[in-house]
Amino acid sequence: GAVVSQHPSWVICKSGTSVKIECRSLDFQATTMFWYRQFPKQSLMLMATSNEGSKATYEQGVEKDKFLINHASLTLSTLTVTSAHPEDSSFYICSVAPHWTKETQYFGPGTRLLVL
Amino acid sequence: QKEVEQNSGPLSVPEGAIASLNCTYSDRGSQSFFWYRQYSGKSPELIMSIYSNGDKEDGRFTAQLNKASQYVSLLIRDSQPSDSATYLCAVNLGGGADGLTFGKGTHLIIQP
Repeated sequence: GAVVSQHPSWVICKSGTSVKIECRSLDFQATTMFWYRQFPKQSLMLMATSNEGSKATYEQGVEKDKFLINHASLTLSTLTVTSAHPEDSSFYICSVAPHWTKETQYFGPGTRLLVL
Repeated sequence: QKEVEQNSGPLSVPEGAIASLNCTYSDRGSQSFFWYRQYSGKSPELIMSIYSNGDKEDGRFTAQLNKASQYVSLLIRDSQPSDSATYLCAVNLGGGADGLTFGKGTHLIIQP
């Protein structure tokens, strides 16, 4: 499988601040990465597809101006939660789908965000 | 609207028995199917992938796919307490780099 890291693993911030989450593909170059969000006792929901060198594709209902995605290199995608509010508190998880695995996605360890 | 349905459980199975997890999906165009295991507080880890009708076995795990019935299942043989987790069914419409649609997961408890 693919090795994916995320940083930070935990973040606590005040309401109104912005938080940046990094997702790194450690053992292969990923032209596409995915960002998911998971609320307590809920399943993972796809937020957006991050494409290297181009704009991200957001799912319906996800505010692109609030969740800024930058996929600046083949190994790094970042998700910035702008002006975070308590309702943004969630578990944010990125994934990659290596070309050799026929769409199988491997997930990073996740970032738990708590907005006070 | 793509939907993936799972019984949320909890499903309680004695140690050593077979655990059977089921999943149905609404989009007949779905082509790729996955089972992930998620421990509390952790991210999902891949258990099995399946793309064709029939059974696929990997160690103690067997995935079964029936596209006509839009049904995917996961069997866990010789269940161990360490198998206690939430099992997520996920589907991909296919055709390339698409995000996955997940079910809500089945909470499995293996009783020692």
